[in-house]
Amino acid sequence: DQQVKQNSPSLSVQEGRISILNCDYTNSMFDYFLWYKKYPAEGPTFLISISSIKDKNEDGRFTVFLNKSAKHLSLHIVPSQPGDSAVYFCAASVQTGANNLFFGTGTRLTVIP
Amino acid sequence: DVKVTQSSRYLVKRTGEKVFLECVQDMDHENMFWYRQDPGLGLRLIYFSYDVKMKEKGDIPEGYSVSREKKERFSLILESASTNQTSMYLCASSLGTTDTQYFGPGTRLTVL
Repeated sequence: DQQVKQNSPSLSVQEGRISILNCDYTNSMFDYFLWYKKYPAEGPTFLISISSIKDKNEDGRFTVFLNKSAKHLSLHIVPSQPGDSAVYFCAASVQTGANNLFFGTGTRLTVIP
Repeated sequence: DVKVTQSSRYLVKRTGEKVFLECVQDMDHENMFWYRQDPGLGLRLIYFSYDVKMKEKGDIPEGYSVSREKKERFSLILESASTNQTSMYLCASSLGTTDTQYFGPGTRLTVL
């Protein structure tokens, strides 16, 4: 059973516009959430994270929002650039438990120049 | 910078062969992980290790085993490769149990 879900397999956005990638989770014990970016033929690279004690974390063009009541998080990229084209995975874990990350299925973002 | 390396980028093996995938990290991380990535399924955890000679099963351990004889090295073993083990295999490491995982570049394994 998929505990972390990314329901949009792909997203296309014009350069300069906002990209919004969504992620839902089912396990209310999750208290730490991450986004990873993956280019073809490379391993995922860590992008940004958020703890459940926050509802927003910002790092440059990237902002992650967490809505605990809805069990939903989103990644906003503003402004989107062609180099942002990649597959984005959200992941969740329980910090007090084993360091298992549960990954979503990924969303392929294409930023059109 | 954390560096996680994997022994091969591409590997082609035949059904029934024994396959070794090696992963090395250079940052003295305690935890190491093996995932496989398949289209539409995301990353799924095969095994992880939180210390030398320690291992824990992940979500899909069947058909795989692991070895961690040294802190920096974590090996994934396919005892008898099958075609359904054709996949991208990703190794990761993290310092502590609540720390970010850092991934290697991946090994694309094809089993014919």
